[in-house]
Amino acid sequence: GQQVQQSPTSLVLQEGENAELQCNFSTSLNSMQWFYQRPGGSLVSVFYNPSGTKQSGRLTSTTVIKERRSSLHISSSQITDSGTYLCAIRTGGYKVVFGSGTRLLVSP
Amino acid sequence: DPKIIQKPKYLVAVTGSEKILICEQYLGHNAMYWYRQSAKKPLEFMFSYSYQKLMDNQTASSRFQPQSSKKNHLDLQITALKPDDSATYFCASSQEGGGADTQYFGPGTRLLVL
Repeated sequence: GQQVQQSPTSLVLQEGENAELQCNFSTSLNSMQWFYQRPGGSLVSVFYNPSGTKQSGRLTSTTVIKERRSSLHISSSQITDSGTYLCAIRTGGYKVVFGSGTRLLVSP
Repeated sequence: DPKIIQKPKYLVAVTGSEKILICEQYLGHNAMYWYRQSAKKPLEFMFSYSYQKLMDNQTASSRFQPQSSKKNHLDLQITALKPDDSATYFCASSQEGGGADTQYFGPGTRLLVL
């Protein structure tokens, strides 16, 4: 089965609403990273967060290793937050496994 | 200035031909990677290199061959191109690889095989 599952698949918000994105993984991991992918393609690292909670501005990531999950919380969403959010894990060695992503659309 | 350069940005090829995708990173990293993203699948890991040595290969086909002439270069040669190879190919790098470090991605090369 798929090692990394993200939910929801897509999400539509009105500007100002909060979003909670989930990433569940079926194996133990060495590292966990959240990426934002702009419409058009390039990936930008949002958080490197193998465990615990990290915050940057309106974004907060929480990874709970023993529960094999990580979340990305976006508060007070903005139109410019629209895009796809991907989580990726490294289980050991050099291979990285990505989830299918959550497509976020923030409307005015 | 872009820290990871991928060339070309767009590439159109005919079935059966051979192409080389270029990747250079100026982050001083020791590990480099190739990924593929097509419309039908999530981002797929293809190769990882550390200190110019192949560390992991998840690509079943030998038509895909990475080439590292310098520590900050990792090109991808694709031979006998097929329409199914159409995808965006991303190069990435990280400080050390293999353990716990952040990966940084290039802008990608969009390949279309006709």
